[in-house]
Amino acid sequence: GAVVSQHPSRVICKSGTSVKIECRSLDFQATTMFWYRQFPKQSLMLMATSNEGSKATYEQGVEKDKFLINHASLTLSTLTVTSAHPEDSSFYICSARVAGKETQYFGPGTRLLVL
Amino acid sequence: GQNIDQPTEMTATEGAIVQINCTYQTSGFNGLFWYQQHAGEAPTFLSYNVLDGLEEKGRFSSFLSRSKGYSYLLLKELQMKDSASYLCAVRFPNSGNTPLVFGKGTRLSVIA
Repeated sequence: GAVVSQHPSRVICKSGTSVKIECRSLDFQATTMFWYRQFPKQSLMLMATSNEGSKATYEQGVEKDKFLINHASLTLSTLTVTSAHPEDSSFYICSARVAGKETQYFGPGTRLLVL
Repeated sequence: GQNIDQPTEMTATEGAIVQINCTYQTSGFNGLFWYQQHAGEAPTFLSYNVLDGLEEKGRFSSFLSRSKGYSYLLLKELQMKDSASYLCAVRFPNSGNTPLVFGKGTRLSVIA
């Protein structure tokens, strides 16, 4: 199956700092990538849909100025959590869909802890 | 609107069979997925149903009834490593970039 990588896998930062998470499709081109967030014992909540070369589409309640998404190429999307606060601590997972296929493949996730 | 329901927790015995149900209410439908997620890890794809009926893949099978808005995931010959959360996800209207919407997941515990 298609492989999606994320970096870093784990990050701890101080409140007020910004954190960038990278998502890469390793063996396919992903015109669309999705960013999800998962709090403990809860399901995945879609944050935004990222299309290569255009602005991301954010879900209701997700602040676009706080969660900056860039999808500059067909294999890379980045999520930047700006001015992170403890309530932003969560498991962030990206997902990509192979063009013409139905299945979404997930990256291994990034665990963010904001102190 | 979109609503996906599945049981929160289930427990089953090693070697047994377990069925995890999922119901959904949608204003459109374009496929139902099942994913397995171990604690602290990302979901891994198990199955995809878009037409009514049963899809079998080894120890795992998935069933869909579109008219009833209902699916189940059947796990046979349970193993301890099957202890995980099982996520039901639906793709809604037939649009190229539509993301998956997930249920809250069913946490399965397999006991000896």
